[in-house]
Amino acid sequence: QSALTQPASVSGSPGQSITISCTGTSSDVGRYNVVSWYQHNPGKAPKLMIYEGSKRPSGVSNRFSGSKSGNTASLTISGLQAEDEADYYCCSYAVSNTYVFGTGTKVTVL
Amino acid sequence: QVQLVQSGAEVKKPGASVKVSCKASGYTFISYFIHWVRQAPGQGLEYMGIINPSAGNTNYAQKFQGRVTMTRDTSTSTVNMELSSLSSDDTAVYYCARELERTFYFDYWGQGTLVTVSS
Repeated sequence: QSALTQPASVSGSPGQSITISCTGTSSDVGRYNVVSWYQHNPGKAPKLMIYEGSKRPSGVSNRFSGSKSGNTASLTISGLQAEDEADYYCCSYAVSNTYVFGTGTKVTVL
Repeated sequence: QVQLVQSGAEVKKPGASVKVSCKASGYTFISYFIHWVRQAPGQGLEYMGIINPSAGNTNYAQKFQGRVTMTRDTSTSTVNMELSSLSSDDTAVYYCARELERTFYFDYWGQGTLVTVSS
């Protein structure tokens, strides 16, 4: 199972919106509506930001939103803030009862 | 509150095995699957496999089949992940994470355990 493809880095100024793409195949992202997104800061545990493609857990800012089209899922961060600077990973359930993560995207707030 | 507390850092020699534990508290242990994910230095997250604490059944990512064993102890609400035949490529931070059965996302994660493989 190959890793889902994400851009290595995305940047934006405070207040702007950015979108991170996550491209898979018909065996993972395209097959199941269960993409999740995680925020990961160095030395800390990953934090769930989005599940089932577009749902936010309690406590996650509504500045974070998710969507999917075909084999590509996306995470949008609106009203970018300094605290959003982190690595972001998508994850999808895949055929053969396994999971696959994205390659990861470093978000930089300029 | 929900907690997944992992065992401490390990240093191992190539060819050895390592066992990392993940002790759960604050919820019904057998109601949530436990997954293992690792991150090598400078690399992304990599999925390793799953254990169902209720039945004890497991499913491992193809890359780790034959080298990883996940077990659980319901009396202590602990899941163990043992990785054998270690090489320097296995140097990584290992995380456990829980999933409410068949919800396909990981809502709580352990703090991570650094495993260093070095001669």
